[in-house]
Amino acid sequence: GAGVSQSPRYKVAKRGQDVALRCDPISGHVSLFWYQQALGQGPEFLTYFQNEAQLDKSGLPSDRFFAERPEGSVSTLKIQRTQQEDSAVYLCASSSDRGETQYFGPGTRLLVL
Amino acid sequence: GENVEQHPSTLSVQEGDSAVIKCTYSDSASNYFPWYKQELGKGPQLIIDIRSNVGEKKDQRIAVTLNKTAKHFSLHITETQPEDSAVYFCAVGGTNAGKSTFGDGTTLTVKP
Repeated sequence: GAGVSQSPRYKVAKRGQDVALRCDPISGHVSLFWYQQALGQGPEFLTYFQNEAQLDKSGLPSDRFFAERPEGSVSTLKIQRTQQEDSAVYLCASSSDRGETQYFGPGTRLLVL
Repeated sequence: GENVEQHPSTLSVQEGDSAVIKCTYSDSASNYFPWYKQELGKGPQLIIDIRSNVGEKKDQRIAVTLNKTAKHFSLHITETQPEDSAVYFCAVGGTNAGKSTFGDGTTLTVKP
């Protein structure tokens, strides 16, 4: 079946621009996670949804980062006024249970110039 | 919060040899320990996981061992093949609604 999909796969933004990254989880998965992966490092937790409820946003690095999942399926991660340090791969994962077994998408590689 | 350390950062083995990657963690309440394989340009793929109620789990050439007392767990790959070359991440979770903390990864190279 279809896995987790993310779009766009690559995004180049000028410093100060706003960007929106989309995640389509596996159909029926109630849990959805966003991670940030810097080059040469492991994924770092950003935020977690159970259905449409954002239960944990403790990993969002600043108030420029905002995530939503209004209907409990597709999620969007928005970054306002992008900075160079925001350059990273943004990974989305979904899970059918409380989140232990997570299935990852291919990621969106964001480059801020 | 949880702190996960992974070693080694790089590992090179000859085809057919075994590879072992180790991780330690800090939160004794953690109870879920997955391992992921990440190939270039792709997201991490779950290859094996273990929960704290068992000490070892095996799936063909891959095995994971867990020592909860010492707070460390290891990935063992036997009879390595060139297609096993990738970055491997350990992760720790189970204490906070599915939130996982990842190690920094091990780049495994299997030489034919």
